[in-house]
Amino acid sequence: GENVEQHPSTLSVQEGDSAVIKCTYSDSASNYFPWYKQELGKRPQLIIDIRSNVGEKKDQRIAVTLNKTAKHFSLHITETQPEDSAVYFCAATSNFGNEKLTFGTGTRLTIIP
Amino acid sequence: DTGVSQDPRHKITKRGQNVTFRCDPISEHNRLYWYRQTLGQGPEFLTYFQNEAQLEKSRLLSDRFSAERPKGSFSTLEIQRTEQGDSAMYLCASSPIQGINTEAFFGQGTRLTVV
Repeated sequence: GENVEQHPSTLSVQEGDSAVIKCTYSDSASNYFPWYKQELGKRPQLIIDIRSNVGEKKDQRIAVTLNKTAKHFSLHITETQPEDSAVYFCAATSNFGNEKLTFGTGTRLTIIP
Repeated sequence: DTGVSQDPRHKITKRGQNVTFRCDPISEHNRLYWYRQTLGQGPEFLTYFQNEAQLEKSRLLSDRFSAERPKGSFSTLEIQRTEQGDSAMYLCASSPIQGINTEAFFGQGTRLTVV
């Protein structure tokens, strides 16, 4: 089955700086890679996703890159703000999202004002 | 609220007791998933349904766990003879099938504490 590894487990950045979170996956059949943000005591919420037919996707301050050959994908947050502080999870699945998600272990991002 | 709802939000039970959780997905979503999340970990897949059919069940899932989705709408997850290791957040998610948008929407979860 799929295995997703995520690094780092914790990350602190100064407000306004960029944050990068990296994930690797094992199953070459995986073709859909969502990122979820989970604030304390709240539900995970999708912030961005990418399918294997593209290498990069951007939505305002958030971008995701995918390297299918190396089986890794990354989340980039630019111009970080205090409200970006949360736990971020990467995930991978096949069938373009119509299957179960395999999650990474999460990154606790803290934005220092 | 048109999102995924779960009930109860919190459950404290004594070891050995049975518990049942309920999930109401977004109404037009065919797929319904159950995940378990422990502190400091990502959600771990338990089982999922397409309409009323249970399509997959994790090999890690003990036979003390059972899930149903009798009419293809709400789902229940029952844990029999609870153990302390069952303490976790149980998350439900739903998604539409096929199409371009396959985003899984999560509920706020049921936090189970077994004492």
